[in-house]
Amino acid sequence: EAGVTQFPSHSVIEKGQTVTLRCDPISGHDNLYWYRRVMGKEIKFLLHFVKESKQDESGMPNNRFLAERTGGTYSTLKVQPAELEDSGVYFCASSQGTGLIYGYTFGSGTRLTVV
Amino acid sequence: EDQVTQSPEALRLQEGESSSLNCSYTVSGLRGLFWYRQDPGKGPEFLFTLYSAGEEKEKERLKATLTKKESFLHITAPKPEDSATYLCAVQGGYSSASKIIFGSGTRLSIRP
Repeated sequence: EAGVTQFPSHSVIEKGQTVTLRCDPISGHDNLYWYRRVMGKEIKFLLHFVKESKQDESGMPNNRFLAERTGGTYSTLKVQPAELEDSGVYFCASSQGTGLIYGYTFGSGTRLTVV
Repeated sequence: EDQVTQSPEALRLQEGESSSLNCSYTVSGLRGLFWYRQDPGKGPEFLFTLYSAGEEKEKERLKATLTKKESFLHITAPKPEDSATYLCAVQGGYSSASKIIFGSGTRLSIRP
């Protein structure tokens, strides 16, 4: 079974530019999540999709962040315009059901550096 | 507010030297407490879910236990390949069913 795939693995952009991160979940996993870790902090929730619908986006920091999941397959997370404090590692995860029993399967993350 | 605190931040052990990692939590209506392992440059890898106080789960050299306020990850006779960051996380019943709250992790290093 292929895991959760994220790309790019690294991205360095200038403040004010736009970046789009992509996540391909495990096939058949309706639940897709975005989390991020900023330097020195815990991994924190951003949002949750069930198929193509946003179930919970309470962790999105502000309206510069836009997540989509067209057709309920892959998801993108766009940051526009990027600010210095957006630097960190962005993780995508998917799960069968709520993730309570089998946990979430995480991708390796995208390391975003805003300079 | 749901909260997870892990200790110690870092732990260095000799190969074969057993020890325990601690996870203290505060959550409204615990649905599950998770342990994940994270290697450098990788995402967290699921180890266990514990659901209620008194529950224990084992996997190879790891055993996780749960009380009403804490969870422990016991590592018995560790090997260098057990070196990683171990993350504890909780999912509360009264918060959104979507999110899990992570602790900051314990960096475990096993010397040969």
